Amino acid sequence: DTAVSQTPKYLVTQMGNDKSIKCEQNLGHDTMYWYKQDSKKFLKIMFSYNNKELIINETVPNRFSPKSPDKAHLNLHINSLELGDSAVYFCASSQPLGRGGENTGELFFGEGSRLTVL
Amino acid sequence: DQQVKQNSPSLSVQEGRISILNCDYTNSMFDYFLWYKKYPAEGPTFLISISSIKDKNEDGRFTVFLNKSAKHLSLHIVPSQPGDSAVYFCAARHADNTGKLIFGQGTTLQVKP
Repeated sequence: DTAVSQTPKYLVTQMGNDKSIKCEQNLGHDTMYWYKQDSKKFLKIMFSYNNKELIINETVPNRFSPKSPDKAHLNLHINSLELGDSAVYFCASSQPLGRGGENTGELFFGEGSRLTVL
Repeated sequence: DQQVKQNSPSLSVQEGRISILNCDYTNSMFDYFLWYKKYPAEGPTFLISISSIKDKNEDGRFTVFLNKSAKHLSLHIVPSQPGDSAVYFCAARHADNTGKLIFGQGTTLQVKP
């Protein structure tokens, strides 16, 4: 009963192909994210959805298109893959930052999907 | 422009001693700081956090210190154990209510038996 699960875990593909990575969370969270960890190990946010609505889009090429069919799922589709897209992609989820109380907005991460573009 | 920086890519300590991991940030609009731990082939997992209105938070062997004037935070692990060997990421949350976390580049900690 993994909290945040991503598939596939590994993906090797040729330049120019289109691929998708799927993410599902069973934590009941409203907000989901995609992060990219590049070769320099930086974890950088790409997108965030709150209850199926896009709230963050961080200057990501429009070859990347997130899709959230419901608040428990956030998929990432990548068109025309390039060598520079090779990275580990992490999905995450969190509770919304509600009023009152202490909510650190802790993110729960999936195990990552390692994409290699040849 | 990296808003959260971990300038030490690696740290090696002896089991039982203290591990100190450092993190610097540039944006004074961050309201929460978090530390994540990551093992190979796994996702980052939350370790401990601190609000910008506090200067210390402790949880068992882990203590985080925040120096707002210096825009610096540190994670202390004492005593260090071999199972603590992992990559540690510092992260900061912007007060813009999007929940976005900005991560440092990580420090690899090795605890030797």
